Amino acid sequence: KQEVTQIPAALSVPEGENLVLNCSFTDSAIYNLQWFRQDPGKGLTSLLLIQSSQREQTSGRLNASLDKSSGRSTLYIAASQPGDSATYLCAERGADGLTFGKGTHLIIQP
Amino acid sequence: NAGVTQTPKFQVLKTGQSMTLQCAQDMNHNSMYWYRQDPGMGLRLIYYSASEGTTDKGEVPNGYNVSRLNKREFSLRLESAAPSQTSVYFCASSELWSNEKLFFGSGTQLSVL
Repeated sequence: KQEVTQIPAALSVPEGENLVLNCSFTDSAIYNLQWFRQDPGKGLTSLLLIQSSQREQTSGRLNASLDKSSGRSTLYIAASQPGDSATYLCAERGADGLTFGKGTHLIIQP
Repeated sequence: NAGVTQTPKFQVLKTGQSMTLQCAQDMNHNSMYWYRQDPGMGLRLIYYSASEGTTDKGEVPNGYNVSRLNKREFSLRLESAAPSQTSVYFCASSELWSNEKLFFGSGTQLSVL
C-alpha cells in the first residue's frame, strides 16, 4: 500500500512570510500529484496538479514542485495572507488510485 | 455552476438504520468517487465508478453499497449503520479515472448513535 506523508502537521507563521509545505510519497510509479486546500467544514479544492512528466506547476502565489526520484513534492506559498489559513493536503495518483496525506494545518497570523 | 452537490449535509442515525447519501455532478465527468474522512486517518476511498455502468471497491468498502444511477449521479448506501461509520463523507468527480483533477462536494457529516 502506498503511503503519503506530510510534514509538518501544523504550521503557524506571520502574514507576509514565504513558506514551504512538504509531501513525501513511496510510489515509484506515480502518475501525478495533486495539492488541495480544505477549509473548516468544507470539501477539498484542487489547487495544482503536476503530471509525472512535469517538474512544477504555478498558480498565482502558489508553486508546486515534483521530484519523482526522491519521492517528494513541495508547495511554496509566496507572501502569505490570513486568507491562506486552511489545511493543505497532497495526494499522489498511482496504479492503485489516489492516496492522500493527512494534511498540514496552516495558520497565517495577521 | 454547482459542480458536485451532496445531500444531506448533516444526518444522525441510530445503529441499524439505513440511509442513502446522494451525489450529483454537472460537469459531464466520467468518474465519481466516495471518500470518508476521519480524524487522524485522512481521506480513504470507499467506492468509485471509473465510468458510467461500472463500480469498484476502494480501500474501505465494508458496510457500504453504491449505485451509479447515470452519468451525473452516484449514491452511497449504508444498509445497517454502525457507530464506526460516524464520519464525514465526500463525493468527488473527475473527467477521467487518471491524470485529472478531482472536484469535491461539500461533504455530509454523519453521526451514528
